[in-house]
This record gives sequence, C-alpha cells and structure tokens, in this order.
Amino acid sequence: DADVTQTPRNRITKTGKRIMLECSQTKGHDRMYWYRQDPGLGLQLIYYSFDVKDINKGEISDGYSVSRQAQAKFSLSLESAIPNQTALYFCATSDRSGGKLPVSYNEQFFGPGTRLTVL
Amino acid sequence: DAKTTQPTSMDCAEGRAANLPCNHSTISGNEYVYWYRQIHSQGPQYIIHGLKNNETNEMASLIITEDRKSSTLILPHATLRDTAVYYCIRRRDSGGSNYKLTFGKGTLLTVNP
Repeated sequence: DADVTQTPRNRITKTGKRIMLECSQTKGHDRMYWYRQDPGLGLQLIYYSFDVKDINKGEISDGYSVSRQAQAKFSLSLESAIPNQTALYFCATSDRSGGKLPVSYNEQFFGPGTRLTVL
Repeated sequence: DAKTTQPTSMDCAEGRAANLPCNHSTISGNEYVYWYRQIHSQGPQYIIHGLKNNETNEMASLIITEDRKSSTLILPHATLRDTAVYYCIRRRDSGGSNYKLTFGKGTLLTVNP
C-alpha cells in the first residue's frame, strides 16, 4: 500500500551497529505500529504509538527503541543490532475512529516491509 | 492470551470457492473475529471482520457459528492471486485499548490452476 512507506526495503548490517528503520504514512492516521516477522511465524508487536506523545511497548520491545517524530512518521531503532534481530519488519497504521464504526476502527494498514539481516 | 486454531495449509482449485476454517472456542462476548491475509513477504492486508452476524464484502464472506466458537472465511471464486497466508484473529472491543492484533501462524492457502 503506497500510503504507508518503509525505508530501507532491505538492509544488511553487522552485529553491534546501530540501525534505524523509517516509516511514513499519508493516511492521516493517529496510530502507528512496528511488528517483526520471523520466517514461518506470525507477526509480533514491538512498539505502538497512539499519537505523537504516546509511545507504548509491545510484546517484544527489548533491544528496540522508537521515535514518533510527527503524526506521519514513526522510526524504529536497533541500538546495537544482534543476529537474532534478523527478520522482516512491518510498519502499520490505523485510524482512531471515523467511518462506520467499528469497520475502520482497528483495520490496520501495513507497509511493504523491511528485510533486515544482521551478520 | 487470545488464541485461534487454523489448519496449517489448504489447497483450492482456481475458480472454486475457498473455505478457510478457524476455531475460537474460548472467544468472549466482546471479541470480534478479524481476518487478514499476507501474500508472500508483503504486508498483511485486512479482509473482513465480524462479531456474530455473517458478513460479506467485495473480497470475502465471513460465516460465524451461532455459538461463535468457530468461523469460516469464504473466498467465492479463488484466483491464483489469492494464494497467501490467511490469519484469523480475535480482537477485544475494549475502547481505547483495542489496538492489539495477535497474529498466529495462519493457514497457507494455495490456489492451483
């Protein structure tokens, strides 16, 4: 979905390096999320943000940090990358309300993903 | 932890209906059933959701049993592009905290020519 973009799309890095993954959205949504997906598994929530001043930890936040620079931007950082952080990372957005509740209440729109490899 | 049970994989012939089952026997009264799908290595895509009534949209139909312990997602005329992993997800409607989508392993649907 072009409304949610992620950069970079692919990244290979070395253990101990600091990495930032960026997410931008043009949907005007308040809520943004970061998930990771390991091969053959479902998605796990890392962090989520309900607005610029609201940041919350998800299921697997250890080793990660986030920054919500603006309503449209939500960045995920790996302060010191390690090999078991090799995964596919997805950003998602959702609207707080609007439309015919609850049809759009929690529909999440996902970006194309960033494939991160830590050597 | 809200869990659903889905078959690991299913096959369907192109042009036929694909019926994907989901068991959620411990679902509570205020939990919705959501379906997402993920085409290989792409971001998940919302399909449909429901509470207790059957639902239909341009993508699919959702049939929920009367006791709400299971549901079936129906793709009426499957195409090759419907090959994907389909996730059945329970989500509580609890006001401001209803952010959470817990993805399991889903069902890999393969549509064959």
